[in-house]
Amino acid sequence: EVQLVESGGGLVQPGRSLRLSCAASGFTFDDYAMHWVRQAPGKGLEWVSGISWNSGSIGYADSVKGRFTISRDNAKNSLYLQMNSLRAEDTALYYCAKDGIFGVEGDAFDIWGQGTMVTVSS
Amino acid sequence: SSELTQDPAVSVALGQTVRITCQGDSLRSYYASWYQQKPGQAPVLVIYGKNNRPSGIPDRFSGSSSGNTASLTITGAQAEDEADYYCNSRDSSVVFGGGTKLTVL
Repeated sequence: EVQLVESGGGLVQPGRSLRLSCAASGFTFDDYAMHWVRQAPGKGLEWVSGISWNSGSIGYADSVKGRFTISRDNAKNSLYLQMNSLRAEDTALYYCAKDGIFGVEGDAFDIWGQGTMVTVSS
Repeated sequence: SSELTQDPAVSVALGQTVRITCQGDSLRSYYASWYQQKPGQAPVLVIYGKNNRPSGIPDRFSGSSSGNTASLTITGAQAEDEADYYCNSRDSSVVFGGGTKLTVL
């Protein structure tokens, strides 16, 4: 079964750091790009960051650029998000999502985890 | 980065057809993908590319595009289709629409 399981969320004070992890199983992890997408309480989806299969291409949303760092360990089938200088507006459910390989049919997130909640508050 | 605009809410009578739209300049060059999200659940991919459904998605879901507008159509809406729907596109960045809350009456 294809599965993504996020962990590492919790309550953290503004300005502090947190590291999220996503454990992948049921597919060849190093064949696919991976992403983090977040959803603030009662709000819509927001793409946070993405990383190519070999870490050669990385992108960030403007809202987290310079504060968050995405990485992956293909030997461990794991994706990470290092979040520094956290702000109240970073409070959200953070999803790990897998890219599909759809060729000329474009890109899409075909598998999602259940998310891990990050709350930034004093 | 480009933006994607969706109507905040749409309603449809049970068994009728509904179209959910997504507008944005990036859609002139790139396909949209569509996601269904039910309360308390993770999003699920329902349409990608020109008009493709992942395995397990009912064929009442279809996608289309014209100019700067992508559409998700549900033909014969069912009670279980009541959910939030998000479009997504990628050009220089990855952008989601604001979401459309679908109510099945």
